Amino acid sequence: EIVLTQSPATLSLSPGERATLSCRASQSVGSSLAWYQQKPGQAPRLLIYDASNRATGIPARFSGSGSGTDFTLTISSLEPEDFAVYYCQQRSNWPPLTFGGGTKVEIK
Amino acid sequence: EVHLVESGGGLVQPGGSLRLSCAASGFTFSSYSMHWVRQTPGKGLDWISYISSGSGTIYYSDSVKGRFTISRDNAKNSLYLQMNSLRAEDTAVYYCARQTHFDYWGQGTLVTVSS
Repeated sequence: EIVLTQSPATLSLSPGERATLSCRASQSVGSSLAWYQQKPGQAPRLLIYDASNRATGIPARFSGSGSGTDFTLTISSLEPEDFAVYYCQQRSNWPPLTFGGGTKVEIK
Repeated sequence: EVHLVESGGGLVQPGGSLRLSCAASGFTFSSYSMHWVRQTPGKGLDWISYISSGSGTIYYSDSVKGRFTISRDNAKNSLYLQMNSLRAEDTAVYYCARQTHFDYWGQGTLVTVSS
């Protein structure tokens, strides 16, 4: 099973700042990594798939990069609606499909 | 517009059974694989089951294998999860999600296993 480790667990930032979230895989997943955003009481929403492709309707301030075992989600300038929990997920070697433990982006 | 709507959750005693449904609309359901993913209250996300578009391939996580059964009815645009021998640790919000990068999710249905 591929284990995904996200860091940091919590990121405290102000609106307008840049957010950099990390996801590290226990073995290579190629580019088969996705990022999701989840707000309280809501289902997760796909942001990025295949490491760097923005999903439909996702603003350009969200970008993904990386391959192999190290991946980054960058939010170039935080908007108030971006404060949420973010998860990475791999679909390279499955079953099982696995998720990271999440990074909470909170208002500083 | 793609919509996925789960139903069937509720309170059940340990050892009991429950059947979840996911009604799909706004896309050609029969062309897409589907998944069930759950989230323990306050915790992260766990994938639990997959079914291919034609039901020919099915996978389960080790945590539910032998207890849960995934199925679909493409004529009714519906996905199902039959959950038997439920345990306290199965308490979670259960989501259906479309294809392997989960591009669309339902709103979730809460399953509580407690005596």
